[in-house]
Amino acid sequence: EADIYQTPRYLVIGTGKKITLECSQTMGHDKMYWYQQDPGMELHLIHYSYGVNSTEKGDLSSESTVSRIRTEHFPLTLESARPSHTSQYLCASSGQGGNQPQHFGDGTRLSIL
Amino acid sequence: RKEVEQDPGPFNVPEGATVAFNCTYSNSASQSFFWYRQDCRKEPKLLMSVYSSGNEDGRFTAQLNRASQYISLLIRDSKLSDSATYLCVVNSNSGYALNFGKGTSLLVTP
Repeated sequence: EADIYQTPRYLVIGTGKKITLECSQTMGHDKMYWYQQDPGMELHLIHYSYGVNSTEKGDLSSESTVSRIRTEHFPLTLESARPSHTSQYLCASSGQGGNQPQHFGDGTRLSIL
Repeated sequence: RKEVEQDPGPFNVPEGATVAFNCTYSNSASQSFFWYRQDCRKEPKLLMSVYSSGNEDGRFTAQLNRASQYISLLIRDSKLSDSATYLCVVNSNSGYALNFGKGTSLLVTP
């Protein structure tokens, strides 16, 4: 079983607040990813990282930002939350090599009022 | 054209039935192929990797056809617990990320 953890699981918060979604993995994986998924809809890649100090934007434009200061930690930040940010955010990681599957955390379900 | 295309379904089948899903991909240079399962409001979980020679894991069989650029998943003797969305996944052009299909919804009924 993959060891990747996301906190919080659920967050309901008001507009304008700064939010950080945490993601940590204990597998030593170099590659980490953030996806956004609305109920019943497809996954959209919003950020990914090849390793420490590497961050890239994904296919879907997002107002969020990420950082990768440590291998095991890949937090996602929204500076000023808006209702349009309401969604599920899924973090994933994968090991070395181009043929590795991704392992997902449980996700954070975010609701902005 | 999307990188990975799947029939969204839903597929409604009775318990015990055999059901097959197909998926096509656009990047002929793709090297990694997977099937994931996603339950409602849960995270995707790896079901199986797909190898060139085809592979089987219990009631599940995956096939890859590189010439036609499609992948299939066959589920035999369907169980109620197989009800979920099945995601076809292929590595992207960059090689670092994966492209996820929209998923095929399966409902197994008593």
